[in-house]
Amino acid sequence: AQTVTQSQPEMSVQEAETVTLSCTYDTSESDYYLFWYKQPPSRQMILVIRQEAYKQQNATENRFSVNFQKAAKSFSLKISDSQLGDAAMYFCAYRSEKTSGSRLTFGEGTQLTVNP
Amino acid sequence: AAGVIQSPRHLIKEKRETATLKCYPIPRHDTVYWYQQGPGQDPQFLISFYEKMQSDKGSIPDRFSAQQFSDYHSELNMSSLELGDSALYFCASSRTSGALPDTQYFGPGTRLTVL
Repeated sequence: AQTVTQSQPEMSVQEAETVTLSCTYDTSESDYYLFWYKQPPSRQMILVIRQEAYKQQNATENRFSVNFQKAAKSFSLKISDSQLGDAAMYFCAYRSEKTSGSRLTFGEGTQLTVNP
Repeated sequence: AAGVIQSPRHLIKEKRETATLKCYPIPRHDTVYWYQQGPGQDPQFLISFYEKMQSDKGSIPDRFSAQQFSDYHSELNMSSLELGDSALYFCASSRTSGALPDTQYFGPGTRLTVL
């Protein structure tokens, strides 16, 4: 079974600064997807960014980018120019590419605080 | 853009009662997923349906059942409710083709409280 680990329960960053959230995973599969989701106080789960394992190029979405190291099974999220609205719980998630309807396996989450 | 719709948003039940949660996926999405998130926890996968057939099954209690209907909406039926079933229940949907295939988009959740 796949496992996802986020070793930082809490992180804080100053507004306009950069912060990196860590995620590692364990799998024996070669084809999979990785995601970062954000859960603000409203508890809505919001997709931040996605990475296909077969792609060597790291995904970017505006101020959000990832550092995907397949061999090391590492998938960190970098948030640049942090904004107050970035404050949320961030979950790293793994999804097998094997079959349709495969589940997401989440890490424990990292609570990000943005200080003004 | 249309999002995943869940109803009701809040539900209060007594122990041993039954609850039904509904999920309406994003139009043209063919797969629906159900997750349970307890307080301070990450979401835990319950069950999923692809083209109305069960496609993956997680730690869903036998007291729970779910199905996907011909219009692709899904219902999660929960019987003999226990205090420990109190949680936020998410539905997510995805599609297997097109832009960003297999990316799950979440609904706002149904907060179930069992008294």
